[in-house]
Amino acid sequence: GAGVSQTPSNKVTEKGKYVELRCDPISGHTALYWYRQSLGQGPEFLIYFQGTGAADDSGLPNDRFFAVRPEGSVSTLKIQRTERGDSAVYLCASSLLGGPQETQYFGPGTRLLVL
Amino acid sequence: EDQVTQSPEALRLQEGESSSLNCSYTVSGLRGLFWYRQDPGKGPEFLFTLYSAGEEKEKERLKATLTKKESFLHITAPKPEDSATYLCAVQLNFGNEKLTFGTGTRLTIIP
Repeated sequence: GAGVSQTPSNKVTEKGKYVELRCDPISGHTALYWYRQSLGQGPEFLIYFQGTGAADDSGLPNDRFFAVRPEGSVSTLKIQRTERGDSAVYLCASSLLGGPQETQYFGPGTRLLVL
Repeated sequence: EDQVTQSPEALRLQEGESSSLNCSYTVSGLRGLFWYRQDPGKGPEFLFTLYSAGEEKEKERLKATLTKKESFLHITAPKPEDSATYLCAVQLNFGNEKLTFGTGTRLTIIP
């Protein structure tokens, strides 16, 4: 079946602008995760959804970052007043139930460049 | 503080030359250790999950092992298509489902 999909695959924006990044999880997966990966680093956790609710948003770096998942499927990561330091690959992952030791399946990522 | 350290940062091998990648961790309580493979420009691809010390898992030319302090990813007789960055990640006992990743080992297999 289809894996996790993310759109757009690339996004170039200017400092101060607002951006939205979309994630479509694997069908039937109730848990969804956002990570951010800088060049040469491993992915860094941002937020975890169980259904429609954010079960853990402890990784969001500041209040410019916000994510929603209104119907428990597609999620949107929103970044306000973008800064050059926000440039990174934003990865989305999903798992079936969100339980311990479950495999998280990753999408291809959105490459964000803030000029 | 919970830490995951991978070594070496980069490794170049001749085709057929076996070796091991290391992932050491200092965490308060390990629930699971995950290995992923990441090709340039793509998202991480799941390889293995290990749950307890002494556990081993194999897939083709790869074998992952786990002790109380570290995990090894052994690659036997590698081929050029095994070239990728290999990431390990830990999931902790307490709190949440997030994965904490190391910085990865960039593996290059030379034909």
